[in-house]
Amino acid sequence: IVLTQSPGTLSLSPGERATLSCRASQSVSGTYFAWYQQKPGQAPRLLIYGASSRATGIPDRFSGSGSGTDFTLTISRLEPEDFAVYYCQQYGSSYTFGQGTKLEIK
Amino acid sequence: QVQVVQSGAEVKKPGASVKVSCKASGNTFNNRYMHWVRQAPGQGLEWMGIINPSGAVTAYAQKFQGRVTMTRDTSTSTLYMELSSLRSEDTAVYYCARGETSDHPLGAFDIWGHGTMVTVSS
Repeated sequence: IVLTQSPGTLSLSPGERATLSCRASQSVSGTYFAWYQQKPGQAPRLLIYGASSRATGIPDRFSGSGSGTDFTLTISRLEPEDFAVYYCQQYGSSYTFGQGTKLEIK
Repeated sequence: QVQVVQSGAEVKKPGASVKVSCKASGNTFNNRYMHWVRQAPGQGLEWMGIINPSGAVTAYAQKFQGRVTMTRDTSTSTLYMELSSLRSEDTAVYYCARGETSDHPLGAFDIWGHGTMVTVSS
């Protein structure tokens, strides 16, 4: 399954709402879908699993939705520490990642 | 606080092999499926393979079949990933990552090691 993320780069200001998309080349089995955040020089961090469940310690401004082939990560009000690269992943049929969306400060 | 320690950076020549280790504090990795993921400089994440909790079963991405071996020592909570026949395209940061489930392999990756840089250069 190939995952395509859009946009490649998203330029927003703190306080704004961010919407990141991920489209799968075929339907993802169940809700085996996750989102990760990665900052420079750091390992990825799990944000969302099961398409919509927040991982431990993740603020409620992060939310995930979607099923089938279309998934969305929404950050309701951007904080300065949210500017990073975000990856989607499906784990229902082997494991694949999207190419990433860079969220940068406008 | 979970501590995951990976082995240090490596520089290898083309054709050589590298073995990366990943150790967790306590029983963090016990009874969990474990994965290896790599990231080339400036690039995205690439899944390499999975090992089951006992270490008896592995599955590798087709791209790495025949070149990668994943093992684990349950007595010391240590994982190993060996990649052979190295080429320049294998230059990357290699991460170990814990699957969120213990009873089946279909889980997100909830704990990651800090990564090990492997450089392949003549």
